[in-house]
Amino acid sequence: SQQGEEDPQALSIQEGENATMNCSYKTSINNLQWYRQNSGRGLVHLILIRSNEREKHSGRLRVTLDTSKKSSSLLITASRAADTASYFCATDTSMEYGNKLVFGAGTILRVKS
Amino acid sequence: NAGVTQTPKFQVLKTGQSMTLQCAQDMNHEYMSWYRQDPGMGLRLIHYSVGAGITDQGEVPNGYNVSRSTTEDFPLRLLSAAPSQTSVYFCASRHRLAGGPSYNEQFFGPGTRLTVL
Repeated sequence: SQQGEEDPQALSIQEGENATMNCSYKTSINNLQWYRQNSGRGLVHLILIRSNEREKHSGRLRVTLDTSKKSSSLLITASRAADTASYFCATDTSMEYGNKLVFGAGTILRVKS
Repeated sequence: NAGVTQTPKFQVLKTGQSMTLQCAQDMNHEYMSWYRQDPGMGLRLIHYSVGAGITDQGEVPNGYNVSRSTTEDFPLRLLSAAPSQTSVYFCASRHRLAGGPSYNEQFFGPGTRLTVL
């Protein structure tokens, strides 16, 4: 089963509004990462937050991490039509032979202009 | 740098055929991995490797083999293709973060779209 679960599965907003996506996971992690995928393309890394960090910013992106609740959120402020894409959280966990990076099912974001 | 490259981009197989999906990276990353992406399922980890000669299973390894003889290459072999293996396959690589057990962000290839009839 997948480690990360995103919520909501789909989100539709107007340009200029904020978009919030949530991610929950099950086991202890080294870090949590968010990725974006435009339709039919590969994934692009957005932001990485380590397990000892609580909040991180990058441009219009803000990520929070609550390890006690095993959850993270991605906030996109002042959304644009170009932000329309699928967004995935991924958790990095330690294994015997190295780390696994396991993805959730994603949130489909549609920004209407 | 070319980054992560995958070949072929598209492939159609018949049930029972075998083939190898190629993946190469020129960033000297220790870690490489293979995922499959099905509609509504996100990405599922098939196999990963932390360096030449070291591989391990992911979430959905059955029906796939990997080996890692060089840092640059990480091919994925389908032994006997089945319709359930119809999917988009992504290869990725990443570098270990200094001073800790974890790795930096993952770089993805453009994907191979595989159809098994």
